[in-house]
Amino acid sequence: DSGVTQTPKHLITATGQRVTLRCSPRSGDLSVYWYQQSLDQGLQFLIQYYNGEERAKGNILERFSAQQFPDLHSELNLSSLELGDSALYFCASSVEIQETQYFGPGTRLLVL
Amino acid sequence: GQQLNQSPQSMFIQEGEDVSMNCTSSSIFNTWLWYKQDPGEGPVLLIALYKAGELTSNGRLTAQFGITRKDSFLNISASIPSDVGIYFCAGQETSGSRLTFGEGTQLTVNP
Repeated sequence: DSGVTQTPKHLITATGQRVTLRCSPRSGDLSVYWYQQSLDQGLQFLIQYYNGEERAKGNILERFSAQQFPDLHSELNLSSLELGDSALYFCASSVEIQETQYFGPGTRLLVL
Repeated sequence: GQQLNQSPQSMFIQEGEDVSMNCTSSSIFNTWLWYKQDPGEGPVLLIALYKAGELTSNGRLTAQFGITRKDSFLNISASIPSDVGIYFCAGQETSGSRLTFGEGTQLTVNP
């Protein structure tokens, strides 16, 4: 158990819908990262937050957004969902930027 | 997106055998990490490497940070059935903290 929690574990929804994925970092970790894992693209960095502020952006679609709240938990919002958005979404956290990242168990999203 | 070149893609070995996998990149990385992922789970950190040339062990696992900072390898000695899973290398860029992952090595260990 990494100490990073993610909810829900599974999510099934329809195209065009919007979903919110939640992540609670390890106690004391200030930085949160979101990654997407799909069969064709592998593990891809989406976005990073540090102490409530966006720090870095990767291959994140404009239909996706995220935020980190004062209690340091983070949410990833996916809207106008398409079939190709079906993937595993992982949250990771680290104490500080450049420190080791620890991954949560992931949310498996299936868009039908 | 950018990915590291990880090889081999898959390995089928007998219990007790040693295993070696490696990653190469066209970019320099500040940190190399090796993760293992079991089905339906998130990646679990195995070894982190912070200096070029560094050789680090964690039990039966040994990993090295290449001196060019563009490659790393992971060795597993005396494999056991619970070593089954997907192993990922990841590089952390000098200028930021995002991880760039390899394609993964699927390891199967036959008892």
